[in-house]
Amino acid sequence: AQSVTQPDIHITVSEGASLELRCNYSYGATPYLFWYVQSPGQGLQLLLKYFSGDTLVQGIKGFEAEFKRSQSSFNLRKPSVHWSDAAEYFCAVGALQPGNTPLVFGKGTRLSVIA
Amino acid sequence: KAGVTQTPRYLIKTRGQQVTLSCSPISGHRSVSWYQQTPGQGLQFLFEYFSETQRNKGNFPGRFSGRQFSNSRSEMNVSTLELGDSALYLCASSPRTSGYTGELFFGEGSRLTVL
Repeated sequence: AQSVTQPDIHITVSEGASLELRCNYSYGATPYLFWYVQSPGQGLQLLLKYFSGDTLVQGIKGFEAEFKRSQSSFNLRKPSVHWSDAAEYFCAVGALQPGNTPLVFGKGTRLSVIA
Repeated sequence: KAGVTQTPRYLIKTRGQQVTLSCSPISGHRSVSWYQQTPGQGLQFLFEYFSETQRNKGNFPGRFSGRQFSNSRSEMNVSTLELGDSALYLCASSPRTSGYTGELFFGEGSRLTVL
């Protein structure tokens, strides 16, 4: 079964600083990988996804993520954080092979942005 | 295209009562999934419906049930409410038809408080 670990529960960065949120997954086959963002009181919005091909994927709002199979990681990055990026971020893994497998989410990383 | 719509957005119930939550997926999406989100457990998969059939079920007691109608709208029901059922219930639709896990499009959730 798949599992996702987000080691950082809470991260605080200064506005304008770079950001990296960590995600490690466990899955026996080729995974589908996703990053979602959730603002307070809202549902989850898809930031980016990786299915295959180029291991560096670009998403919305200036985010990117890199898939590293050897490290079972899919870390999210942004070169310059804006105050509006303060939110909770979730990494998720799905199955790339037939099977009725739901998306499995990590427990999230809360991002705070300070001036 | 309208997004995923969940009703009601907020509700308060007392222990022992039952509750029904509704979800209208994005037009054309036939897969609807439900997740429970709590601060301690994160996002936990409840069930998925596709073409009125439950295709997958998470590890929740039988008090949690759902159904899907021919127009793809879905409802979930929780009977004999317990304090621990207080959570944000998220519905997500997907264009997935079969096999691999596709990306999910989330509604804003129904926040249930059990007193």
